[in-house]
Amino acid sequence: DGGITQSPKYLFRKEGQNVTLSCEQNLNHDAMYWYRQDPGQGLRLIYYSQIVNDFQKGDIAEGYSVSREKKESFPLTVTSAQKNPTAFYLCASRLSWTDTGELFFGEGSRLTVL
Amino acid sequence: AQSVTQLGSHVSVSEGALVLLRCNYSSSVPPYLFWYVQYPNQGLQLLLKYTTGATLVKGINGFEAEFKKSETSFHLTKPSAHMSDAAEYFCAVSEDSWGKLQFGAGTQVVVTP
Repeated sequence: DGGITQSPKYLFRKEGQNVTLSCEQNLNHDAMYWYRQDPGQGLRLIYYSQIVNDFQKGDIAEGYSVSREKKESFPLTVTSAQKNPTAFYLCASRLSWTDTGELFFGEGSRLTVL
Repeated sequence: AQSVTQLGSHVSVSEGALVLLRCNYSSSVPPYLFWYVQYPNQGLQLLLKYTTGATLVKGINGFEAEFKKSETSFHLTKPSAHMSDAAEYFCAVSEDSWGKLQFGAGTQVVVTP
């Protein structure tokens, strides 16, 4: 079945450590997105990529980095510069940047800083 | 700039009663509007969307929403709540066709027997 796979589902990190969250899609979608979800704040856009080897900062990019070396993969690194990284992270994709269709979401990764 | 306001962070409804979730938006151009549902520790699933055309939009699981331009609203309704409707619901708006969505803060729905 086609879809978006995020891993790991749960992750614990010590302060000062970088962690990388994986996002893989087999939907042949062009665009991919990373959102951060905190209680009562909805979803906030971290980074997005419309094509391979290109990505743009979203609304809260500080302390995060991404890469888009393959169409199906869009990993997110939470660096030690992110002061409050504990959150639920959601990866999403869509068919193309001109499409008005829906975003497809992964199941999310919950990061907890100890 | 676009923005979304969802009235009420928590809504409690009785099983079989009407579900009404309110969403107001601001947009400088005709918007694309979406409602998503999220079950605990899961991703978001699209309920319905409005892009152009008919202002009353029907979605999955018996939900529907009406786009009212004069009121800048896109409220979500379901005539009869089911226990399985307990979840968090997000309204989202986009001003362009490339999917950079602005999400509301979400409304948690509790269904009581």
